[in-house]
Amino acid sequence: EAGVTQSPTHLIKTRGQQATLRCSPISGHTSVYWYQQALGLGLQFLLWYDEGEERNRGNFPPRFSGRQFPNYSSELNVNALELEDSALYLCASSRDGEKLFFGSGTQLSVL
Amino acid sequence: GENVEQHPSTLSVQEGDSAVIKCTYSDSASNYFPWYKQELGKRPQLIIDIRSNVGEKKDQRIAVTLNKTAKHFSLHITETQPEDSAVYFCAASRSGGSNYKLTFGKGTLLTVNP
Repeated sequence: EAGVTQSPTHLIKTRGQQATLRCSPISGHTSVYWYQQALGLGLQFLLWYDEGEERNRGNFPPRFSGRQFPNYSSELNVNALELEDSALYLCASSRDGEKLFFGSGTQLSVL
Repeated sequence: GENVEQHPSTLSVQEGDSAVIKCTYSDSASNYFPWYKQELGKRPQLIIDIRSNVGEKKDQRIAVTLNKTAKHFSLHITETQPEDSAVYFCAASRSGGSNYKLTFGKGTLLTVNP
């Protein structure tokens, strides 16, 4: 069984640009979660998608958005990038809404 | 919303010693408490979890205890080995429902010295 896959592995952008990060969940998992992992700040909850709908979002500005496609894959979009957006972005999927299975992440660097 | 505090932020032990990581949570309605291990450069992985109707759970060398009254839960690792070196995250959530959100602590860097 393939795990959660994320692309790209690394992404370098300049301030003000937009970034798009992609995630494919484990087959059979309908929920996708996005977390930001910045140095020293642990895992900060960004967004939760289930069955194509946004179910919950964390305390992040509206320039962080995303969507979930009919095949349950998901995109995270970050508009108007700021230097402090530099972080590892982790996607996770779940079948039962409890146990999360994480991808390896996308390292976003904003210059 | 939920707030999870985790201590210590770093922990260094000798191989064979025990390690204890403690977390507190703020939302008395939280009922699901997982622990994740993240080795350097790798993805976080679930190592053990506990629900609020259980006070303690063990899996080989790791155990988790929960005190609902104090809103406190802990991870215990016995007979530590160098491969236990990693960042450990505790988390808390209200399982189920539309408000589900797993809130993590800031992590504990555990170093096991051979």
